[in-house]
Amino acid sequence: AQSVTQLDSQVPVFEEAPVELRCNYSSSVSVYLFWYVQYPNQGLQLLLKYLSGSTLVESINGFEAEFNKSQTSFHLRKPSVHISDTAEYFCAVSASSNTGKLIFGQGTTLQVKP
Amino acid sequence: DAGVTQSPTHLIKTRGQQVTLRCSPKSGHDTVSWYQQALGQGPQFIFQYYEEEERQRGNFPDRFSGHQFPNYSSELNVNALLLGDSALYLCASSALPQPYEQYFGPGTRLTVT
Repeated sequence: AQSVTQLDSQVPVFEEAPVELRCNYSSSVSVYLFWYVQYPNQGLQLLLKYLSGSTLVESINGFEAEFNKSQTSFHLRKPSVHISDTAEYFCAVSASSNTGKLIFGQGTTLQVKP
Repeated sequence: DAGVTQSPTHLIKTRGQQVTLRCSPKSGHDTVSWYQQALGQGPQFIFQYYEEEERQRGNFPDRFSGHQFPNYSSELNVNALLLGDSALYLCASSALPQPYEQYFGPGTRLTVT
C-alpha cells in the first residue's frame, strides 16, 4: 500500500518570493508521483508528474518537482510565485503497476499575498 | 475538445435517501474513476470502471455502487445516505497509452442533512 504526507497544511508567501511545498510518500513498490492543483470550486488539474528518468520534472507555468528516492520525497518548488498561484496543491502517488488508483495527501493551501 | 463533465453541480439530500451522480469522460477516454473529497481533505479513491465492469475498489462500503455505460459514461450511486457522505465527488477519466494521466471533472457537491 502507498501513503502520502504533505508536511504543511498552509503556506503563506509574498508575491514574487520562492516557495516549496513538501511531500513525502511511503511505498513498498515502484511508484509514479504527481502534483495536482485545485482552484476554488473547481476540480483537480494535473500540474506535473514523475514516471521515470530525470528526477527533476517541470510544468509549463514555472513549477518544478524533484523526485528523491532515498528521502522518499517529491517536493514542489517555484522560484517566484504570482497571486494567481493561490490554490490548494495535492501530492499523489500510484503504484507503477496499478496507475488507476491515486493516493492523495491532505493538501497544502498556498496563499500568495501582494 | 470536451473535458470531463459531471452532473449535477450541487445536490442536497436527507439522511437515508439515495443519490445518483453522473459523469461523462473526456473524449477518447474509456476508463472512469470516482473519488470522494471531504472538506479539507485530499480525494479518496472509491472505485474504477473499465469495459463496463468495476476493476478495483477502495475502502468504501457496499452502499457505494457504480455503473459504466457502453458510451463510457458512468454513474455513482450511494444508498442510505449518512451525514458523513457529505463531500465533493470527483470523477476522473483516463485511457491507454497513458492510464496514469487522470483528467478530473469539476465535481458534484453533495450535502446530506
